[in-house]
Amino acid sequence: GQNIDQPTEMTATEGAIVQINCTYQTSGFNGLFWYQQHAGEAPTFLSYNVLDGLEEKGRFSSFLSRSKGYSYLLLKELQMKDSASYLCAPSGSARQLTFGSGTQLTVLP
Amino acid sequence: DADVTQTPRNRITKTGKRIMLECSQTKGHDRMYWYRQDPGLGLRLIYYSFDVKDINKGEISDGYSVSRQAQAKFSLSLESAIPNQTALYFCATVGESYNEQFFGPGTRLTVL
Repeated sequence: GQNIDQPTEMTATEGAIVQINCTYQTSGFNGLFWYQQHAGEAPTFLSYNVLDGLEEKGRFSSFLSRSKGYSYLLLKELQMKDSASYLCAPSGSARQLTFGSGTQLTVLP
Repeated sequence: DADVTQTPRNRITKTGKRIMLECSQTKGHDRMYWYRQDPGLGLRLIYYSFDVKDINKGEISDGYSVSRQAQAKFSLSLESAIPNQTALYFCATVGESYNEQFFGPGTRLTVL
């Protein structure tokens, strides 16, 4: 089975930087995804890490340490529209995703 | 047009009724998945399919069945709906590249 732990809620100020951590225990690990989900909408893909290290894509970066079962999502220059739930999801051997409960990020003006 | 579509988008039904949720995709992907989302629990995998002849149970398949009618279509059925199946249901497809992951818009199902 897979256990995923991420903070339930976080709050940050517009223009700031926020880091959302995720720890996981999994079998058949095949990479880790981060998704953004606004309330009532479908998750949208943010990043994918399969090797250790940092992947940067615009204002979003994601880091993975496979030996530690740890990942984080870094959001820079926060905007109001970044208020959403952020889902950490390790991938299994069948490319199925196991999602954490998500971190609800609130960006304040 | 959307790459992954789900019908219906919203459905209210009664306990004991049979319900079918449909998913279609235009991406040409072989792998398709059904997830449900409950408040505070994240998304959980119900069933997945690698092709029309390959169906696999996920984490919470009890009370559900699926049909892969064609590469582009993957349906989820609730044979006898019960209230704790009230949830938001998502279909997803996966391409050859891991960056090709697409979710449908979701179906909000309420079982009274």
